[in-house]
Parts: sequence; C-alpha cells; structure tokens
Amino acid sequence: AQSVTQPDIHITVSEGASLELRCNYSYGATPYLFWYVQSPGQGLQLLLKYFSGDTLVQGIKGFEAEFKRSQSSFNLRKPSVHWSDAAEYFCAVGAPDGNDMRFGAGTRLTVKP
Amino acid sequence: EAGVVQSPRYKIIEKKQPVAFWCNPISGHNTLYWYRQNLGQGPELLIRYENEEAVDDSQLPKDRFSAERLKGVDSTLKIQPAELGDSAVYLCASSLEGRTYEQYFGPGTRLTVT
Repeated sequence: AQSVTQPDIHITVSEGASLELRCNYSYGATPYLFWYVQSPGQGLQLLLKYFSGDTLVQGIKGFEAEFKRSQSSFNLRKPSVHWSDAAEYFCAVGAPDGNDMRFGAGTRLTVKP
Repeated sequence: EAGVVQSPRYKIIEKKQPVAFWCNPISGHNTLYWYRQNLGQGPELLIRYENEEAVDDSQLPKDRFSAERLKGVDSTLKIQPAELGDSAVYLCASSLEGRTYEQYFGPGTRLTVT
C-alpha cells in the first residue's frame, strides 16, 4: 500500500532564509506526487504536482519540488521564506488511475521575523 | 468564481447525537470528495462521488456515517450517533471530471464531540 512520510512535524525558519520540507513516499510504481498548503482555518491549496517528465517542478508562491526516484523523495523548497508562508504543508501521493490519494501527517512551518 | 462552500464551520455536540455537514462544490465540478482530518494528521478520504454516484466509499464507516449527493451537486455527510473519536475537521473538495489531481478544498467543518 502506498504511504507518505513527512519526518519533520514542526520547522522554524527565519524570514528570508531558505526552506526545505522533506517528504518520502512508498509506492510500487511511478507515483503521482503533490504538495498542499493549509493556512489556519482554511482548506488545502495545491502548491505543485509531479506526474512525469522533468523531476524539478515549479509551483505557485515561489515553491519548487524535486522528485528523486532513487531516494523515494519529493522535497519541497523555497529560496527565501516570507512571513505569509507560515502554515501547514502536506505531501501526498496518488495512484495513476486517480484513486487512493494518501496524505502525509504534515509539517507545520513557523516563520520568525 | 466561488470556491467550495461548507457549513457549518464549527459544530459542538454531545456524544450519541446526530450531526450533518453540508458541502456545495465549485460550479461544474462533477467530482466531490469528503475527507476527515484528525488533529495532527493529513486528510483521509471518506467517500468520493462522480456526479450522484458514490464511486469510492471504502473508508466510510458505514455503521454510523452516511452521505448523499442526490442531484449531483451539493452533498451532505451525516454521523449518527456521534462518538468522541469523531472529533475532527471534515473537509469537502471538488474537481472536474477526470481531474482528480486538481482538487479544490473547502475550509472544512470542525466537529467537537463532548
């Protein structure tokens, strides 16, 4: 069965610093991978997705993620964090047939002034 | 364009009471999803509708949970009777048919069972 692990429950970075959120997945074939962001009291918003092709994908709000098959990872990065990026971030994996989307437990990002 | 609408936003009930959540998806979105998000966890799919048909309800606890989407537009999720362990955020999402990977989420209903 597919699963997603986000090793970091909570990360704190200073505003302007770079960010990397880790995501590891378990899936028997080529997965479809996603990153979502959830601000307090809000629903989830899709940041970016990877289906195939270029392993470095660009998303909204200046985020990018890199798919590394050899490491079963799909880490999210941003070169310079803004205070408004403080939120909960979820990595997810889905099957190519569109079924069975599985989310990680999330990483809470705090941004220090 | 209006997003996914959910109501109520918050609900507090005593255990053994019934509760219902309502969701109105984005106009034109044929696919509707209900998720449960426990504290400190990611969302878990409860049920997925294609129009009015429930195509994936394998994770819905059918002894106490029910859902309907009678006209293929808005949907209601019900719990009867509620248990303490049902306290969670219930999220609704929608997508265009065949675009499962572009789901739009509502703000959720936070349920507290006392």
